[in-house]
Amino acid sequence: SQQGEEDPQALSIQEGENATMNCSYKTSINNLQWYRQNSGRGLVHLILIRSNEREKHSGRLRVTLDTSKKSSSLLITASRAADTASYFCATDARSGANNLFFGTGTRLTVIP
Amino acid sequence: DAGVTQSPTHLIKTRGQQVTLRCSPKSGHDTVSWYQQALGQGPQFIFQYYEEEERQRGNFPDRFSGHQFPNYSSELNVNALLLGDSALYLCASSLEGQGVRNTIYFGEGSWLTVV
Repeated sequence: SQQGEEDPQALSIQEGENATMNCSYKTSINNLQWYRQNSGRGLVHLILIRSNEREKHSGRLRVTLDTSKKSSSLLITASRAADTASYFCATDARSGANNLFFGTGTRLTVIP
Repeated sequence: DAGVTQSPTHLIKTRGQQVTLRCSPKSGHDTVSWYQQALGQGPQFIFQYYEEEERQRGNFPDRFSGHQFPNYSSELNVNALLLGDSALYLCASSLEGQGVRNTIYFGEGSWLTVV
């Protein structure tokens, strides 16, 4: 299975702290995308990083990709209570398949 | 710019019944994929439609079928519902020629409860 796996499964931090979530996957990819999901809602796209990129920033988000280790990390700086959600990484397959593989997500709780 | 829209948002069905879920892709997108997300799990790929044809399919039984219309909207049909089909069904849209190589947008999903 190419499924990505997020670590940790759950993370609880105080508002203002940074949150780091990790993702590992098994096979070669074209891209890796991070999504956020509020409870019972749809997935909101956060950031896409291509296999030839090592780091990408978007506002308070910083994503890194290490293709040699088949891993990625998502850093949320200066967290807010509104960041409370589940975060998923999603990978494609370099073989050309057109679907995304998701892990089980990291449940982030930011305590005000 | 309309995002991905899905209907209905919630529905309850009885075992053995059939259900149809609907999706309109983001404006300008022509490819629709469907995912099933069980409680506490990540989304699982069901299938993808492009040019009104099923182009790719995940590990789901034939009870799951779909359709894409000329306006790119799509339907997901599930026959002979089982309790285990209870899940959030997510529609995702993208633009062909880009596929997973660019951002894929998801709708808010349809919550299906089978009793």
